[in-house]
Amino acid sequence: LAKTTQPISMDSYEGQEVNITCSHNNIATNDYITWYQQFPSQGPRFIIQGYKTKVTNEVASLFIPADRKSSTLSLPRVSLSDTAVYYCLVGDMRRSDSWGKFQFGAGTQVVVTP
Amino acid sequence: DAGVIQSPRHEVTEMGQEVTLRCKPISGHDYLFWYRQTMMRGLELLIYFNNNVPIDDSGMPEDRFSAKMPNASFSTLKIQPSEPRDSAVYFCASSLSGGKDNEQFFGPGTRLTVL
Repeated sequence: LAKTTQPISMDSYEGQEVNITCSHNNIATNDYITWYQQFPSQGPRFIIQGYKTKVTNEVASLFIPADRKSSTLSLPRVSLSDTAVYYCLVGDMRRSDSWGKFQFGAGTQVVVTP
Repeated sequence: DAGVIQSPRHEVTEMGQEVTLRCKPISGHDYLFWYRQTMMRGLELLIYFNNNVPIDDSGMPEDRFSAKMPNASFSTLKIQPSEPRDSAVYFCASSLSGGKDNEQFFGPGTRLTVL
């Protein structure tokens, strides 16, 4: 499994863009990059997934460089409600027998203040 | 759909007692996962099922933990006997193989406190 490294915490002010970078140097050819978000007292929630280049949805954007050894989750114009822990996961999502091996790790605690 | 349902939401018990946590996955999902979350160890996968069959239980900490899935709409995680170090939030999640992004949908969790 590809090991991931992400910052333990990040602070931001409302309205700013938050970028969280995840390193995954030993990512495999078939691996996808997936991000989850966890609010306090709730279970994690899927945010976005990508394989290469850029993916955007209504919540975030995911930037993946050509070498795929890292990825950046971008949260545009954050609000107080974006305060959460963000997890980067790397693995072959197409193989259901590998799902159990995904490790959430410690994640990145993002704190948004007024 | 109501999402993944877990019960109870909170459980306080004394050391040595049996604890049973329950989970109802999203209808139609064929994968079910049990996770444990603590401050020290983060979010750990304990066991997961596919079509009611346990696939990987390597994350189950010890024999005191057991999980069953008697049918597609119900699963239990049992701890017997419970110990204070089992105090954690236990999450159940379900997923649909071949679904969009193979997303896992998590329940609200059960906060277990063992005194």
